[in-house]
Amino acid sequence: GESVGLHLPTLSVQEGDNSIINCAYSNSASDYFIWYKQESGKGPQFIIDIRSNMDKRQGQRVTVLLNKTVKHLSLQIAATQPGDSAVYFCAENIRGSNYKLTFGKGTLLTVNP
Amino acid sequence: ETGVTQSPTHLIKTRGQQVTLRCSSQSGHNTVSWYQQALGQGPQFIFQYYREEENGRGNFPPRFSGLQFPNYSSELNVNALELDDSALYLCASSLGPTEDQPQHFGDGTRLSIL
Repeated sequence: GESVGLHLPTLSVQEGDNSIINCAYSNSASDYFIWYKQESGKGPQFIIDIRSNMDKRQGQRVTVLLNKTVKHLSLQIAATQPGDSAVYFCAENIRGSNYKLTFGKGTLLTVNP
Repeated sequence: ETGVTQSPTHLIKTRGQQVTLRCSSQSGHNTVSWYQQALGQGPQFIFQYYREEENGRGNFPPRFSGLQFPNYSSELNVNALELDDSALYLCASSLGPTEDQPQHFGDGTRLSIL
């Protein structure tokens, strides 16, 4: 089975609130992680990545946290906007896996105005 | 900077037929990966091409094959189509075939098998 999974399949937040999307992985050889956003009818859009030698990385309104001890990844979106509504995937690259990305099933984020 | 482009956007085929999907990589990217995304699921890795050769493959049968051209564009070919092949086929390109290069996706080809 897939080693990348998500705690919640759906998340509904109010506009302006902060959102946190969680992801668990099981392979200790995973050394690179990416968060993607996929809107309806479109391909996954790169949001932010993090390498396993880091615990935190920040982008514009987004922060990714990596806890290697419990094999957990999270994406925090600050001041969530209606345009953030989409399915969010975490993807991992497992060392020695020929560079393929392994995706979880995704979390549907709905932002209510 | 031109992003990843795929053609066609939609395609309808019948069982047993063959299909070719096309992908142009993002400017400056020399590595192309193909993924299959079933409805409600995350993308599944099919294979990757680098320097015109297959550089890694997922759990897909040999009837899924590909090509990469000198300009880094790529094709995905699927023979003997089955109903379960109905999916969104995504192409992603990256700066190189290393593990820490983010892959950037196109909007995919929606393939329906009747």
